[in-house]
Amino acid sequence: GAGVSQSPSNKVTEKGKDVELRCDPISGHTALYWYRQSLGQGLEFLIYFQGNSAPDKSGLPSDRFSAERTGGSVSTLTIQRTQQEDSAVYLCASSLGGMHTDTQYFGPGTRLTVL
Amino acid sequence: QKEVEQNSGPLSVPEGAIASLNCTYSDRVSQSFFWYRQYSGKSPELIMSIYSNGDKEDGRFTAQLNKASQYVSLLIRDSQPSDSATYLCAVPYSSASKIIFGSGTRLSIRP
Repeated sequence: GAGVSQSPSNKVTEKGKDVELRCDPISGHTALYWYRQSLGQGLEFLIYFQGNSAPDKSGLPSDRFSAERTGGSVSTLTIQRTQQEDSAVYLCASSLGGMHTDTQYFGPGTRLTVL
Repeated sequence: QKEVEQNSGPLSVPEGAIASLNCTYSDRVSQSFFWYRQYSGKSPELIMSIYSNGDKEDGRFTAQLNKASQYVSLLIRDSQPSDSATYLCAVPYSSASKIIFGSGTRLSIRP
């Protein structure tokens, strides 16, 4: 079946512009995760959506970052007024159930470059 | 202390030998632990999960968990060149809706 998809695969933007990254999870998966991975680094957890519950936004790096998940499916991560330090690969993952028990399936990522 | 710590490596192991990857975590009440493998330029994929103290085996892979010592490890037997990758330890935190990944250990299997 179809895996997690993300778009765009690559995004180059100018400092100060807003960007929107999209994630389509595996159908039926209730949990969705966003991570950021800078070059040669581990995964930095950003936010987790579980079903219809309000997410804990404390992992978002700054108030320039926001995320939403509509209808329990597609999610968008928005970065306002991008900065050069925002350059990274943004990974989305989904799991059938919650983070404590279920395998996360990762999308291919969006590579964001801020000039 | 980092929430999840791993040696960054690189760890170089001869083909056919056992590779041992280690991870320590700070949340004393975490209940589940995951090992992911990430090939260069690719996304992570699950190798093993473990929830109880002791060993869990799956083919050439064995995960070991010691909650008292807050330590989880991954052993790879009969290492193959295709095992060369970065291995990430992941720990969901029981007190918060977050999952912390270690920075990963880069493993290189030399023929």
